[in-house]
Amino acid sequence: DVVMTQSPLSLPVTLGQSASISCRSSRSPVHSDGNTYLNWFQQRPGQSPRRLIYKVSNRDSGVPDRFSGSGSGTDFTLKISRVEAEDVGVYYCMQGTHWPPTFGQGTRVEIK
Amino acid sequence: EVQLVESGGGLVQPGGSLRLSCAASGFTFSNYAMSWVRQAPGKGLEWVSTLSSSGDNTYYADSVKGRFTISRDNSKNTLFLQMNSLRAEDTAVYYCAKNVKDFDYWGQGTLVTVSS
Repeated sequence: DVVMTQSPLSLPVTLGQSASISCRSSRSPVHSDGNTYLNWFQQRPGQSPRRLIYKVSNRDSGVPDRFSGSGSGTDFTLKISRVEAEDVGVYYCMQGTHWPPTFGQGTRVEIK
Repeated sequence: EVQLVESGGGLVQPGGSLRLSCAASGFTFSNYAMSWVRQAPGKGLEWVSTLSSSGDNTYYADSVKGRFTISRDNSKNTLFLQMNSLRAEDTAVYYCAKNVKDFDYWGQGTLVTVSS
């Protein structure tokens, strides 16, 4: 299975500051169809996961432009600019290119 | 608006069975693969199973293969997960999710607790 490794696992952030989460894949998530199925999910406390970013850098509808995704090869990043209180939660990267789909361990974002 | 609503969770003894359902609305259900993803208490996300749009192709995590069966009723826009020979380590919130490469929508989840 493809292993997704996130860092850091815990990320205390000051309100208004930026935060970055790294995700490294053990195998390139580039699909034979040319797409890179690298996605980011947010899970707020007590809620189900919500997709934020798909195919590396595409923001889902309704996702604030403070969230951005980037990367290539096996290294990917989720950046949150100007962190707000509502951004508290756990963030997961996930690859959907190779079977089975696999998730990173999750990064817990909290406010300092 | 896409909605996925799971039901069927509960407390079951080890070795027992449970059938989960996921009622879908807001999209053409029969056009999409559907998946189950679970989350053990305090843990991360784990893909469990996927079923193709037609129902012809099924995929399972090694941890549930031979014990769980995924199915769908496209006439009723409903996804199912039949869980047999349940173990303590199957205790989790089970989410249904639309698609498989990118899980674009998730339900609210249903809690399955396996305990004597």
